[in-house]
Amino acid sequence: GDSVTQMEGPVTLSEEAFLTINCTYTATGYPSLFWYVQYPGEGLQLLLKATKADDKGSNKGFEATYRKETTSFHLEKGSVQVSDSAVYFCAPLIERGSTLGRLYFGRGTQLTVWP
Amino acid sequence: KAGVTQTPRYLIKTRGQQVTLSCSPISGHRSVSWYQQTPGQGLQFLFEYFSETQRNKGNFPGRFSGRQFSNSRSEMNVSTLELGDSALYLCASKGGLASSTDTQYFGPGTRLTVL
Repeated sequence: GDSVTQMEGPVTLSEEAFLTINCTYTATGYPSLFWYVQYPGEGLQLLLKATKADDKGSNKGFEATYRKETTSFHLEKGSVQVSDSAVYFCAPLIERGSTLGRLYFGRGTQLTVWP
Repeated sequence: KAGVTQTPRYLIKTRGQQVTLSCSPISGHRSVSWYQQTPGQGLQFLFEYFSETQRNKGNFPGRFSGRQFSNSRSEMNVSTLELGDSALYLCASKGGLASSTDTQYFGPGTRLTVL
């Protein structure tokens, strides 16, 4: 089954609006959780991460809290800017069976911010 | 410190040909992973190399192969190219292998177009 369920896009917001992108995952144990961002024509950049329950990752005004009860890692930003327009990926690091842990990526959420 | 570099950045091939992509990890990083990104399938894991050995493998046919050299540089090869192999191929490096908190850093990708 799916390891990561990420909010479908595209998301279109006006500048200074509040942003939430939902992400839930399926895994045993407590995987490390990551959000990556991809700007047009570029590779992925790490946005933030959390490695244990109740940790809050934050960077550039974005935040996400590791919620073990709901197996979620929702991304939030209080006031988006045009420069935040990009595709956002949620990615838990999950171990399955005897294989080593690796990142499982959500489908990505396209965010467009209008001035 | 230089980031992950990938060469070439763009490549055009025809069906049936083979292609080799190269990735140089961040200095000191020993793990290299490869991903394929397409609009239809999103980001899919190909394989991970550490100390010149493949340690983890995704669900891709045997036409996709890779290797890692003693300096941690990695190459991936796709033989008998198909139209569906057109994608952005991303390489990522991290310092260790088993640490669940290690962050993967991505290169800009190689855009492969198969005609």
